[in-house]
Amino acid sequence: GAVVSQHPSWVICKSGTSVKIECRSLDFQATTMFWYRQFPKQSLMLMATSNEGSKATYEQGVEKDKFLINHASLTLSTLTVTSAHPEDSSFYICSARGGGTNTEAFFGQGTRLTVV
Amino acid sequence: AQSVTQLGSHVSVSEGALVLLRCNYSSSVPPYLFWYVQYPNQGLQLLLKYTSAATLVKGINGFEAEFKKSETSFHLTKPSAHMSDAAEYFCAVSDQPGGYNKLIFGAGTRLAVHP
Repeated sequence: GAVVSQHPSWVICKSGTSVKIECRSLDFQATTMFWYRQFPKQSLMLMATSNEGSKATYEQGVEKDKFLINHASLTLSTLTVTSAHPEDSSFYICSARGGGTNTEAFFGQGTRLTVV
Repeated sequence: AQSVTQLGSHVSVSEGALVLLRCNYSSSVPPYLFWYVQYPNQGLQLLLKYTSAATLVKGINGFEAEFKKSETSFHLTKPSAHMSDAAEYFCAVSDQPGGYNKLIFGAGTRLAVHP
């Protein structure tokens, strides 16, 4: 399958600072990227869907001003957690799809964010 | 609204034994159903996908799952467990065209395989 890489794999930041997580499709052009969040021992929850060159579509209850998503190129999407707080600590996973809705979406390895 | 319930957050089997991971779903429309596997420090990998073409779906690594509408279930099985099967397994459902948009995931089941 295709390769999706996230960076960093883990990050610790101070409360009040912002953190940027990158999601790259290494061997295909990702027209659509998805960002998920996973709390310990819970499901992955879809946060937002982004199409290259368009604004992201956020799921209900997700603060778009807090979780900034940029999908400026066909191989890179970024998630910026702004003014992070301890409750933002979580596991963030992206997935990327290179074609239409029948095309498999491939997942990155996830980023563990800890806000102290 | 759609939902997925995975019964058993942890399952432990002996090497060579049958693997059965349970998944029940709720969907108001015919669903797309998925099983993913996640190895430590890696992304989710698609094991198999149900798209209504056949109720018994065969996936990679010897896994298969059967869609049972009457039971709203999509349990994952493998006849003989290998040590390399130890991982986290996620069941997911979608009602979106193609299935890959808006995946709703279960909480996951961690499979342990002991000698």
